[in-house]
Amino acid sequence: AQSVTQLDSHVSVSEGTPVLLRCNYSSSYSPSLFWYVQHPNKGLQLLLKYTSAATLVKGINGFEAEFKKSETSFHLTKPSAHMSDAAEYFCVVRSPSGANNLFFGTGTRLTVIP
Amino acid sequence: DTGVSQNPRHKITKRGQNVTFRCDPISEHNRLYWYRQTLGQGPEFLTYFQNEAQLEKSRLLSDRFSAERPKGSFSTLEIQRTEQGDSAMYLCASSLGEYTDTQYFGPGTRLTVL
Repeated sequence: AQSVTQLDSHVSVSEGTPVLLRCNYSSSYSPSLFWYVQHPNKGLQLLLKYTSAATLVKGINGFEAEFKKSETSFHLTKPSAHMSDAAEYFCVVRSPSGANNLFFGTGTRLTVIP
Repeated sequence: DTGVSQNPRHKITKRGQNVTFRCDPISEHNRLYWYRQTLGQGPEFLTYFQNEAQLEKSRLLSDRFSAERPKGSFSTLEIQRTEQGDSAMYLCASSLGEYTDTQYFGPGTRLTVL
């Protein structure tokens, strides 16, 4: 079975400071992992994805994530938070079955303080 | 805009009524997914289509739920005899169909059952 656990339901940072959103995964195979962002009243947008290529993945808007098999982690980081980063972030693992459906974590709400 | 579209964006209904939602995927995307997102949770997989064929259904999809994709283009999700527990955001996503493909999400339909 595959699942993801987001360790923080809410993270608050000051504008211009680093962002760290934590995610651990559970999978019996080599997983495909994603981070999606959801702004209020907008659809889910893909930030980045890991599909067994480079372990350090760069995404949009300056975000990146590192796949660490030994720690079963896929944490999302950004060097400097911007006000527009305030949103809900979901760590996601894809099913290896024919459906390839996505399993979402419970989400981390990021607040950016001016 | 050539993204995934969903209609209506909001639906308020009384318990026991039937409702139908529509999803228009990105053109030429063979796979279409339905997810449900309740307050404070990540989206959960309901069902998916490969072209017009519905290939997998989650156990979350009770007998009151039915989905169609008659011509392999748009899809509808119908809920019969709605219950208050059906109140949620219903999300549609589409992908080209290959394993590595990204799923692109629509803005969702928010259902409120009174």
